Amino acid sequence: DTGVSQDPRHKITKRGQNVTFRCDPISEHNRLYWYRQTLGQGPEFLTYFQNEAQLEKSRLLSDRFSAERPKGSFSTLEIQRTEQGDSAMYLCASSLAGGSGLYEQYFGPGTRLTVT
Amino acid sequence: GQQLNQSPQSMFIQEGEDVSMNCTSSSIFNTWLWYKQEPGEGPVLLIALYKAGELTSNGRLTAQFGITRKDSFLNISASIPSDVGIYFCAGQGRGSTLGRLYFGRGTQLTVWP
Repeated sequence: DTGVSQDPRHKITKRGQNVTFRCDPISEHNRLYWYRQTLGQGPEFLTYFQNEAQLEKSRLLSDRFSAERPKGSFSTLEIQRTEQGDSAMYLCASSLAGGSGLYEQYFGPGTRLTVT
Repeated sequence: GQQLNQSPQSMFIQEGEDVSMNCTSSSIFNTWLWYKQEPGEGPVLLIALYKAGELTSNGRLTAQFGITRKDSFLNISASIPSDVGIYFCAGQGRGSTLGRLYFGRGTQLTVWP
């Protein structure tokens, strides 16, 4: 399977704990995106990388959130001191960085986070 | 942020019927995309549109990029039960927002056999 993969698929944590999610993009894609989706809503943009560089961050990405893509391949999204409002599906997507493929973002299956 | 209004919110149709849904924006977009999402999964890209007025098909799906660049439409012909899911429109702007997609709230489609 050469699609976007995410790990874990589900995470239950207690309020105040830290969690980390991983995303592996499609191998030839150099752009990687993180989105958050809550029930009844469309995905909301959090941040994106081109190779190792983090090029844009949403105001939704509070200082408790940090994303990295150290070698320009996989990425991690960490949430520190989780709050109940962080409960959501966290989606990763990837795309090419040029041509028409730049605009076609392919999503992984998501990580469902539940904060109790 | 840029608002996308997607309608209808939900549709209940009989197998074999055609479906139409649309999406409007308060801002101009350079690219429109349509995705389908099933429970517990990520969105799957169906169609991408790049030019105002463009009409693109993918099997029984046809989508159009509105002339004003502020709207897009998706039609599904001869619906089948596996068309069930949530359909999202997404738009991509220009300049500093080039990387991000803005999504509508989705159209929930139910198909009765």
